[in-house]
This record gives sequence, C-alpha cells and structure tokens, in this order.
Amino acid sequence: DQQVKQNSPSLSVQEGRISILNCDYTNSMFDYFLWYKKYPAEGPTFLISISSIKDKNEDGRFTVFLNKSAKHLSLHIVPSQPGDSAVYFCAASAQGGSEKLVFGKGTKLTVNP
Amino acid sequence: NAGVTQTPKFQVLKTGQSMTLQCAQDMNHEYMSWYRQDPGMGLRLIHYSVGAGITDQGEVPNGYNVSRSTTEDFPLRLLSAAPSQTSVYFCASSYIFRTGELFFGEGSRLTVL
Repeated sequence: DQQVKQNSPSLSVQEGRISILNCDYTNSMFDYFLWYKKYPAEGPTFLISISSIKDKNEDGRFTVFLNKSAKHLSLHIVPSQPGDSAVYFCAASAQGGSEKLVFGKGTKLTVNP
Repeated sequence: NAGVTQTPKFQVLKTGQSMTLQCAQDMNHEYMSWYRQDPGMGLRLIHYSVGAGITDQGEVPNGYNVSRSTTEDFPLRLLSAAPSQTSVYFCASSYIFRTGELFFGEGSRLTVL
C-alpha cells in the first residue's frame, strides 16, 4: 500500500505563473515532510521541508503547506521559472530518522517560457 | 567537496553475473543508504546503515547485500543479477539526527540482460 501519493505524474505551467504540486499521505504517524527536486541524469536534491507542528514553511520562491487533518501537503513555486523544470518527489518520515523516509512516485514539472 | 560519489555510472550485466556498486562520501555522515528508482515507482529503499558495522534492510532488499566497514564507504553487491534489477541506483547519506535531508549521488544506471 502506497503511503505517500503524488497523483499527478506531470504538470505544465507558464513561466511566471504559480506551480502547485500536491502530495497525500496515509500514515498518521508521519511527522516530517520533505520535497526533493531531480534533474535528468542527476541525483535528487533536498528542496524544502516542514515539521508536523507547522502548517507552512517558506524558502524564497518555494512554500510548502501542510494540512494534517486532510493528510495533504503541497509545494508552491512562485514565480515559476524554466529552470524549475524537473521531477519533484514528496517524502515523509515517521518519528524522525532518515531510515524511515518514504518517497512518492514523483511529479514531472515543465515550465514553459 | 566531492559529496557522495558513485561508481560506475553505467553498467551492463548478463543474468547471473555479480557486481558491486561503489558509494563513498566525504562529509562524515553516519547514515548511508541505497535506493533504486524505476519508472512510475519513485525511490525505494534497498538497504541502509546508521554507522560502521551496522546495516539493515529497507523496502526492497532481496537480491542485494551491503556492508559498512568504514564511515565513508557503503558498497552495494548484486550476487546474481536478474533482469528485474535493471534500474537506476542512488546512494544517499546524511547526519543521523538530521531527519530526511539526504545528500544523493548522481546515480548508477544498471542494465541486466
């Protein structure tokens, strides 16, 4: 059973507009959530995270929102840039520890000039 | 800094052959892990280690062996390769108490014929 779900395999947006990537989870024990970004032929890189004690975390153009009651988180990118085109993975951890990190299947974002 | 280094980047094997994927990190990270990425499957944890001499299984450990004799190195061994092991493999490391913020290598693409 998939514990972390990214239901949209792909998303296409225009440069300058907002990109919203969504992620749902089923395990109520998850208490730390992360987004990773992956370019082709490279390893994933950490982008932003949020603890379950918060509902929002910002880092420049990137904001992650957490709705614990809905078991849903989203990544907002504003404004979107062509260099943001990549695969974005949502990940979750229960009670801390990298060994418990569970990844979603990823969403491929394409930002068109 | 080199970060996480994986070798080889590409490898073709015949069914039944054995090989070792090498992973080295120079960040003095206690935690190291191996993931595989398959189309539509996201990143799945194979094995991980929380320190020298300590290893444990992840989600998909069958067909793979690991050992951790030093903090820096974490090789992944395929004892008898099968076509189902055709995948892209990523090594990742982190500080043990830094939840989920993994540093990934560039990946090793393995094809088993």
